[in-house]
Amino acid sequence: DAGVIQSPRHEVTEMGQEVTLRCKPISGHNSLFWYRQTMMRGLELLIYFNNNVPIDDSGMPEDRFSAKMPNASFSTLKIQPSEPRDSAVYFCATRSGGLYGYTFGSGTRLTVV
Amino acid sequence: ELKVEQNPLFLSMQEGKNYTIYCNYSTTSDRLYWYRQDPGKSLESLFVLLSNGAVKQEGRLMASLDTKARLSTLHITAAVHDLSATYFCAVGSGTYKYIFGTGTRLKVLA
Repeated sequence: DAGVIQSPRHEVTEMGQEVTLRCKPISGHNSLFWYRQTMMRGLELLIYFNNNVPIDDSGMPEDRFSAKMPNASFSTLKIQPSEPRDSAVYFCATRSGGLYGYTFGSGTRLTVV
Repeated sequence: ELKVEQNPLFLSMQEGKNYTIYCNYSTTSDRLYWYRQDPGKSLESLFVLLSNGAVKQEGRLMASLDTKARLSTLHITAAVHDLSATYFCAVGSGTYKYIFGTGTRLKVLA
């Protein structure tokens, strides 16, 4: 079991560019969550999916952010256009349901200059 | 809406000392997790607490849950430098998600 796999690990991009973050969940984990972590705001839940269906996207900060889960083994978080205030570490986490907790990916550190 | 508060936010302690981190939450929940995060790393699950009075221990860390008080504690016994990290509690909300506390940044001084 390779765990939750995120890519890229680091991304540096210029303001205005499109950024796509990727996540491969653990096989059999049917819930997937995207979090953003900053020093100022801590861990913020952006959106989560259950069985590939978006359940709650109320944490997505703006229309510039979008997320998809086309199948059980892949999810993307896209920012278009990116802004410097989007700089953060973005974590993908998955869980298998019931009373189980999250397994986190290693995160993507995004820097928008 | 579920709110989760941790205190203290920062904790600097000497090796060998004991201390407790507190996690308060605002509404009833059936599950609570403690996570550890090392600088620049991801979050690692430490304990899951599922019932009132539940106590879990591993090494120098012991977690407990009082569902009536809506309070969980993470107690550190005889701290060592390797325990330096940020500790988060996460409280179950609804069917799917967890709400995280602000985190407690622990620094153990030699």
